[in-house]
Amino acid sequence: GAGVSQSPSNKVTEKGKDVELRCDPISGHTALYWYRQSLGQGLEFLIYFQGNSAPDKSGLPSDRFSAERTGGSVSTLTIQRTQQEDSAVYLCASSLHRQELSPLHFGNGTRLTVT
Amino acid sequence: ELKVEQNPLFLSMQEGKNYTIYCNYSTTSDRLYWYRQDPGKSLESLFVLLSNGAVKQEGRLMASLDTKARLSTLHITAAVHDLSATYFCAAEEGAQKLVFGQGTRLTINP
Repeated sequence: GAGVSQSPSNKVTEKGKDVELRCDPISGHTALYWYRQSLGQGLEFLIYFQGNSAPDKSGLPSDRFSAERTGGSVSTLTIQRTQQEDSAVYLCASSLHRQELSPLHFGNGTRLTVT
Repeated sequence: ELKVEQNPLFLSMQEGKNYTIYCNYSTTSDRLYWYRQDPGKSLESLFVLLSNGAVKQEGRLMASLDTKARLSTLHITAAVHDLSATYFCAAEEGAQKLVFGQGTRLTINP
């Protein structure tokens, strides 16, 4: 497909379980971002990957959160020992390199519910 | 640390009226973005503003940027119901990391 693809679209998990969220960016996009959107709130930056550079992890809320990007393409966001406050929509976005004028292209998100 | 604030956060208006959404950001930023989000959907890019005085228009929406005042505006002309959505502005911090405002929930009534 032409857009950013995220899976699963919905995930319900029990408190304390680990979850993995997947993002397939647009082909050729070197930058990949994860954001979190809580109900009725704005977007909270989590992590940013650009090419082969070290990722900007400054937005990860705790060490329970981690992300990888394999081969410069697919990314996985992992949340360990989930807590109820982790419930949110997790949005992935990709873009071309900064020097090329390019907004972020967002996926449809994964709605995570921790019970 | 870059902070982005929008106002108003909620806006209810009648069709045919004009209104403006304001976006203030706290530190120097190279770019300013506007996005639209429909309920249950993801974000759609509307405008990217690069320089002081930049103005972009698409249909009934017009965005402008004043980098000296650290202010961007999104102006809606003769609103129609289809424009009901949540609008986010975002400013760029460092290398393309976007910091978003809280969003403005716009409801346009017939």
